[in-house]
Amino acid sequence: DARVTQTPRHKVTEMGQEVTMRCQPILGHNTVFWYRQTMMQGLELLAYFRNRAPLDDSGMPKDRFSAEMPDATLATLKIQPSEPRDSAVYFCASGSYLPLGGYGYTFGSGTRLTVV
Amino acid sequence: SQQGEEDPQALSIQEGENATMNCSYKTSINNLQWYRQNSGRGLVHLILIRSNEREKHSGRLRVTLDTSKKSSSLLITASRAADTASYFCATDSYSGAGSYQLTFGKGTKLSVIP
Repeated sequence: DARVTQTPRHKVTEMGQEVTMRCQPILGHNTVFWYRQTMMQGLELLAYFRNRAPLDDSGMPKDRFSAEMPDATLATLKIQPSEPRDSAVYFCASGSYLPLGGYGYTFGSGTRLTVV
Repeated sequence: SQQGEEDPQALSIQEGENATMNCSYKTSINNLQWYRQNSGRGLVHLILIRSNEREKHSGRLRVTLDTSKKSSSLLITASRAADTASYFCATDSYSGAGSYQLTFGKGTKLSVIP
């Protein structure tokens, strides 16, 4: 089965350090989402791309977060500098347009980030 | 911001019983999707129901959609211990400029007791 691959699976870092999370979407999917999951806020949409172009990153703190898609096989989410409140599980999902409309999505296993 | 709101937040049932979870949302949708998340794992897509559909089945899952009430329900019949997980509804909505957003609720935590 095709999978969305996220690396690393776990990351522990000190406050102030740069963190880069990577996502390999399913080949042929033209939409990539980044979500953050915490107990308090649930699943929050951070950013998403269509055909590698950023469409909406309004859910992302712009001063420290950045999302890019340098090519069709790689999406990255960077936090610089990281803060303890960024501790969460970050999910990437990729999707493709369905024949009858709308998008179907596949999620990666997530990156569990702990900032100490 | 949250679009879907699941109800109840937590549900505990005996194996073999049916489990019903509800989801309400606020804006117009293109489709509504249900996902399952096992503890510490990623989300797994279960079923998608389009805005022009009222009911859909997949194995032991039955999903209904009432767009006039902006609500959906997920029924799991003959539950098993392996169904223990959190279940999320997500609405796929047009957000302008040719783009769609998938927005999640906070989920229902289902516990199936053997």
